[in-house]
Amino acid sequence: IVLTQTPLSSPVTLGQPASISCRSSQSLVHSDGNTYLSWLQQRPGQPPRLLIYKISNRFSGVPDRFSGSGAGTDFTLKISRVEAEDVGVYYCIQATQFPLTFGGGTKVEIK
Amino acid sequence: QVTLKESGPVLVKPTETLTLTCTVSGFSLSNTRMGVSWIRQPPGKALEWLAHIFSNDAQSYSTSLKSRLTISKDTSKSQVVLTMTNMDPVDTATYYCARIVGALGIDYWGQGALVTVSS
Repeated sequence: IVLTQTPLSSPVTLGQPASISCRSSQSLVHSDGNTYLSWLQQRPGQPPRLLIYKISNRFSGVPDRFSGSGAGTDFTLKISRVEAEDVGVYYCIQATQFPLTFGGGTKVEIK
Repeated sequence: QVTLKESGPVLVKPTETLTLTCTVSGFSLSNTRMGVSWIRQPPGKALEWLAHIFSNDAQSYSTSLKSRLTISKDTSKSQVVLTMTNMDPVDTATYYCARIVGALGIDYWGQGALVTVSS
C-alpha cells in the first residue's frame, strides 16, 4: 500500500489553519471494519509522536486543534490554528495491512 | 508508563551485521494485543518500516529488506532484537522501535538510535 501525502511543505502564518492530505493506493478498511490510518508529528530532533489514530481519534494529551477525517482511501489532518510548537514534519501511516507503510511526510513551517 | 529504548552500536563497518535491542517497560511482550516494530529514518528522509514481531512470535518483514532482517524477542527480558546483515552506508539511519496495539496502531516510540555505516 502506497501512501501519498500532499503538500510536501506547508508554510503557515501563526494562528492560521493548516491541512494535510494523505491518499492511499487502496482502501484502508480492515476486515474487522476499522480503518487503521494514523497521523504522526515529528518535531525537529525528536522521535515521532502519535497524534491521531483510526482516522479521527486524538491520542492522549493531543490538543483539540488537531483533527483527522476521511474514509476509504482519502484522509486529511487539520490544524485549526497553528502554533509555534506545531512546527515539524507530519506523517500518515497505515496499519491496516502488513507491511506497514508511511506517507512521505509534510513539513509544516511558520511563514 | 510505557517506554521503549533502543541500544546497539553507533558505528558499523560495511558488510558487517547490525544487532539492535529494544528494551520495553510498562507492558508485556506476551500481551496478545501488542507487538513491536522496528522503523528507520535516514538523515533528513522519511520513515521506513522494517519489521514487526507479534506476541505469538510471528514476524512480518519489509518486502525489500526481508532477506537481510531477523526480528526476535525475549519476553522474560522484555527485549526485542533486530539483526540486519550486510550493512551498507545507505543503511545509515536512526533506528526506532515502536509499540503496536491491535486496536490503535503504533502508539509509543523509543527515542531512536543513530547507526552510521562507514569504514
